[in-house]
Amino acid sequence: NAGVTQTPKFQVLKTGQSMTLQCAQDMNHEYMSWYRQDPGMGLRLIHYSVGAGITDQGEVPNGYNVSRSTTEDFPLRLLSAAPSQTSVYFCASSYSYQGTYEQYFGPGTRLTVT
Amino acid sequence: AQKITQTQPGMFVQEKEAVTLDCTYDTSDPSYGLFWYKQPSSGEMIFLIYQGSYDQQNATEGRYSLNFQKARKSANLVISASQLGDSAMYFCAMREGWGTGNQFYFGTGTSLTVIP
Repeated sequence: NAGVTQTPKFQVLKTGQSMTLQCAQDMNHEYMSWYRQDPGMGLRLIHYSVGAGITDQGEVPNGYNVSRSTTEDFPLRLLSAAPSQTSVYFCASSYSYQGTYEQYFGPGTRLTVT
Repeated sequence: AQKITQTQPGMFVQEKEAVTLDCTYDTSDPSYGLFWYKQPSSGEMIFLIYQGSYDQQNATEGRYSLNFQKARKSANLVISASQLGDSAMYFCAMREGWGTGNQFYFGTGTSLTVIP
């Protein structure tokens, strides 16, 4: 199992550009999430999905879109990048094992918007 | 109000000693789960330990234990016999509700340094 994979590892964008951060998992997990991590802020939930075709907003969804067409993939789209979106982005997947919902994290994508 | 509060931005501990990392949480939902994650300088998030709101006993995983005090809404992580490799950021997190799966809230983290 590769677990949760994210691409790219690093990305530099100019203000106004759009891009998609890729996330894939091969564990057949029903739940997937996107977080951003900023210094001193911990991780904040952007969007999440409870299954293919179902997504919902988290704490900080503005400026981001998601879709979940398959169980395996959960891409995060930045519509028009802004310097405030400079951050480290983590994708995570989880499943409901006795109510635990332990999350498995990808390695992260470090995004810089200039 | 903050859902998860970690009041110790940085902690130091002598190698082989025990250390407690504090975490308090805020929820009115009777069903919730509490997690601790470790983030070393390499950046990955590593799951350490889980405590469910209905669990009667404190969770333990090797050198990690979770001191769960439900009435005080605290879920402190205890690391026994600290090792140099324990130096990292530690995050407390909470999942609210049953069946929501992914509404997680994270604290701001505690940076732990183990001194030889």
